[in-house]
Amino acid sequence: DVKVTQSSRYLVKRTGEKVFLECVQDMDHENMFWYRQDPGLGLRLIYFSYDVKMKEKGDIPEGYSVSREKKERFSLILESASTNQTSMYLCASRPKWSNQPQHFGDGTRLSIL
Amino acid sequence: AQKITQTQPGMFVQEKEAVTLDCTYDTSDQSYGLFWYKQPSSGEMIFLIYQGSYDEQNATEGRYSLNFQKARKSANLVISASQLGDSAMYFCAMRDPIKAAGNKLTFGGGTRVLVKP
Repeated sequence: DVKVTQSSRYLVKRTGEKVFLECVQDMDHENMFWYRQDPGLGLRLIYFSYDVKMKEKGDIPEGYSVSREKKERFSLILESASTNQTSMYLCASRPKWSNQPQHFGDGTRLSIL
Repeated sequence: AQKITQTQPGMFVQEKEAVTLDCTYDTSDQSYGLFWYKQPSSGEMIFLIYQGSYDEQNATEGRYSLNFQKARKSANLVISASQLGDSAMYFCAMRDPIKAAGNKLTFGGGTRVLVKP
C-alpha cells in the first residue's frame, strides 16, 4: 500500500513564525501536492511538484513556498505565519500516469495564534 | 478554468438505502478524469472511484457506481445499501488534461453524508 506520511497531525504556532510542514511518500511517485482544506471550500491546491527541484503554483500560493530536494519528500513552508493560514493541510502523491488517483496523508491541522 | 460543483452540502440517508451524490463540472477540454474521494471524521482522504472522459461505460467499484452523463457534464456518485461506516464527507474532483508538468485535481466543496440506523 502507498504510504504518505505527514510529520504532524496537530500543530500550533504563533503569528510571524516560520512554519515547516513535511510530507514523505514511499512509492517513488513523481508528483506531489499540497492542499489546504477549509469548510465549504473543499480542497484548494497550494503548490505541486512533478519532479525533484521542480514546482508549480497552484490556485492559492500566496504566503507559502515549497521545497523538493529529494523525490520522496515535499515540504510546505509558511514564511511568516498569519492567522488566516489556520487550516487543515493535506499532502498527496501520485505516479505520473494521469488516471491514477492521488494518495493522501492523514493531514495536519495547523492553528496560528 | 475548471470548476466542480457539489450542490448538496449535507444529507441524511437511511441505513441499507441507496444515496446519490451530485457532481457537475465545467470544462472546455475533451480529455479529463473524474474522481470521488471519501473523508471520514478521522481526516484521511480515501479514493473511491474514477471515470475517464472517454470511458464508454459507467465506472463501478463494489457498492460505489458513477452515473456519468457527459452531455450534461455530471458525474454523480451512487452508494448502494448504505452502511453506518459510509457517514463521511464526499468530494468530487476533476483532473486537468494530460500535459507534461503533472496533472492537478480541482475539488468540489464536498457533501456530508450521515447514515441513520
